[in-house]
Amino acid sequence: SQQGEEDPQALSIQEGENATMNCSYKTSINNLQWYRQNSGRGLVHLILIRSNEREKHSGRLRVTLDTSRKSSSLLITASRAADTASYFCATVLSGGGADGLTFGKGTHLIIQP
Amino acid sequence: SAVISQKPSRDICQRGTSLTIQCQVDSQVTMMFWYRQQPGQSLTLIATANQGSEATYESGFVIDKFPISRPNLTFSTLTVSNMSPEDSSIYLCSVDGRGYQETQYFGPGTRLLVL
Repeated sequence: SQQGEEDPQALSIQEGENATMNCSYKTSINNLQWYRQNSGRGLVHLILIRSNEREKHSGRLRVTLDTSRKSSSLLITASRAADTASYFCATVLSGGGADGLTFGKGTHLIIQP
Repeated sequence: SAVISQKPSRDICQRGTSLTIQCQVDSQVTMMFWYRQQPGQSLTLIATANQGSEATYESGFVIDKFPISRPNLTFSTLTVSNMSPEDSSIYLCSVDGRGYQETQYFGPGTRLLVL
């Protein structure tokens, strides 16, 4: 079953604006990762945040993690047309369970030129 | 980062037939994973494949339907058996890139349409 729920499911903004996507999950995690997928192709890893971290930056990306609320957010600043893609959060469960990733439903982001 | 290729990139198959998807990595990796992405949906883990051992399947996926081979540290195959239109999906393989339960690197996917 899906671990994460993302909102919004779809987001359309103007180029240059900031885009914020949220992800919630249900069980304890080791880390949470964000991936981007362009047009049904392979996924590209964006950023990983560990359960003992609260915020992380990478270029125009900012990720927060609130383990008490079991939620994370991905902020893309100064959006560009090339940021148009689907964004997924994925969790690695703690407790030595499944080794693979459990993905959220994803947010489809459209950047209007 | 690992470079992963998949063959075929896409295929159209008739129901009742089987298709084997190949995943090749440019470096030796311990764990390989197979995911399914149904149309408009997110990714769901099918199984984890370690070299030299049987694949570990997630709930809802069985070996008879999705047999997996892992003959060496750079290669794996996933077979989709006795296909039905419900099997139409993108199938992706991935590898642990930087260690256990860390970043994963994904192949480009195999887009399968079953008629």
